[in-house]
Amino acid sequence: DAGITQSPRHKVTETGTPVTLRCHQTENHRYMYWYRQDPGHGLRLIHYSYGVKDTDKGEVSDGYSVSRSKTEDFLLTLESATSSQTSVYFCAISEGGTGNSGELFFGEGSRLTVL
Amino acid sequence: QKEVEQNSGPLSVPEGAIASLNCTYSDRGSQSFFWYRQYSGKSPELIMSIYSNGDKEDGRFTAQLNKASQYVSLLIRDSQPSDSATYLCAVTNSGYALNFGKGTSLLVTP
Repeated sequence: DAGITQSPRHKVTETGTPVTLRCHQTENHRYMYWYRQDPGHGLRLIHYSYGVKDTDKGEVSDGYSVSRSKTEDFLLTLESATSSQTSVYFCAISEGGTGNSGELFFGEGSRLTVL
Repeated sequence: QKEVEQNSGPLSVPEGAIASLNCTYSDRGSQSFFWYRQYSGKSPELIMSIYSNGDKEDGRFTAQLNKASQYVSLLIRDSQPSDSATYLCAVTNSGYALNFGKGTSLLVTP
């Protein structure tokens, strides 16, 4: 199994509070991604990183920020959590981006509930 | 927004039959195509990738790609109850990430 660890795995929080999810990899892969998965919407990209301090937005980036200060860590922050951000969040990594490789290795997911 | 469309199912097939899963995509510039399998409560895992028109076989799985029709499919031969899962079609976008379809739920009945 790819060495990807997400924390926390489960979190319940209240509307308006900040939340940070952490993704840690031991594979030294360049690319890291945050997706959210919701019934009826599938997997949607929030943000991704193509190197240390290099990040870009995905299709559902509003209300989220990310940081990558080290190759192995990619943090996702919900600045002020809302109920619409209740979801399962998956971190994924890729050695060579999604060109001819395209193999994303996923973490186990973090289930976030915003009350 | 580039779209990846899949029938949500559920697709029910008897054990031993062929399961056929289909996917269409809107971005004609897409070059790489993938099928991921996701068991309930688990994370997605890659099962097939295909980059050129035609068929690609790996064990009981065959991926088929037709770029002119913007269509990619996955055939599972000799379906087993353990194949029951949601199958996600994924297509490269213009950046560094994958666009996923919403997935097709497959149920293989004994």
